[in-house]
Amino acid sequence: AQSVSQHNHHVILSEAASLELGCNYSYGGTVNLFWYVQYPGQHLQLLLKYFSGDPLVKGIKGFEAEFIKSKFSFNLRKPSVQWSDTAEYFCGGSSNTGKLIFGQGTTLQVKP
Amino acid sequence: NAGVMQNPRHLVRRRGQEARLRCSPMKGHSHVYWYRQLPEEGLKFMVYLQKENIIDESGMPKERFSAEFPKEGPSILRIQQVVRGDSAAYFCASSGQVSGANVLTFGAGSRLTVL
Repeated sequence: AQSVSQHNHHVILSEAASLELGCNYSYGGTVNLFWYVQYPGQHLQLLLKYFSGDPLVKGIKGFEAEFIKSKFSFNLRKPSVQWSDTAEYFCGGSSNTGKLIFGQGTTLQVKP
Repeated sequence: NAGVMQNPRHLVRRRGQEARLRCSPMKGHSHVYWYRQLPEEGLKFMVYLQKENIIDESGMPKERFSAEFPKEGPSILRIQQVVRGDSAAYFCASSGQVSGANVLTFGAGSRLTVL
């Protein structure tokens, strides 16, 4: 069955710390991968996406993610977080059916 | 471009009543998705619709829940005889493509509270 899982449910960092949020997927065949962010009180926004090509994808606000096929992973990274990065982060995957499923989400709290 | 519009933003119902949540997709989008967000459970896929068709309803509870996307008008998620466990945020998203290589645009969500 298709699934996406996120390892960390709650992460607390100080400003300027580096961030890595784990995401693993289980899909047979073609997979498209996404990271969405939900700031407090707001709707989900797309951070970045991977369809094909260069496995290192860069998104908005300094975020990047690396698709590692051998590890079935698509971890999200940022070298230096800011207080404004406090939000909930969702990793998602879809196949050619179009249905997008998400992991459990990771709540990131950045302390000033 | 108004984006994905959901209403109402907040809805309060008593147990046994009906809840109707509406979603107008982005202009030009013909695919609508509904998700439910419960605390500590993330975003759960419920249903994927195209105009007048249900494409995938594998995430919909078997009873009390239904969804439609008519030829004219918004998509509607209907919950009959609500129970306290239905209290959640319901998000709608839309896309304009059929294949998996599409990007979903989300609405602001509708928060249902069942008393």
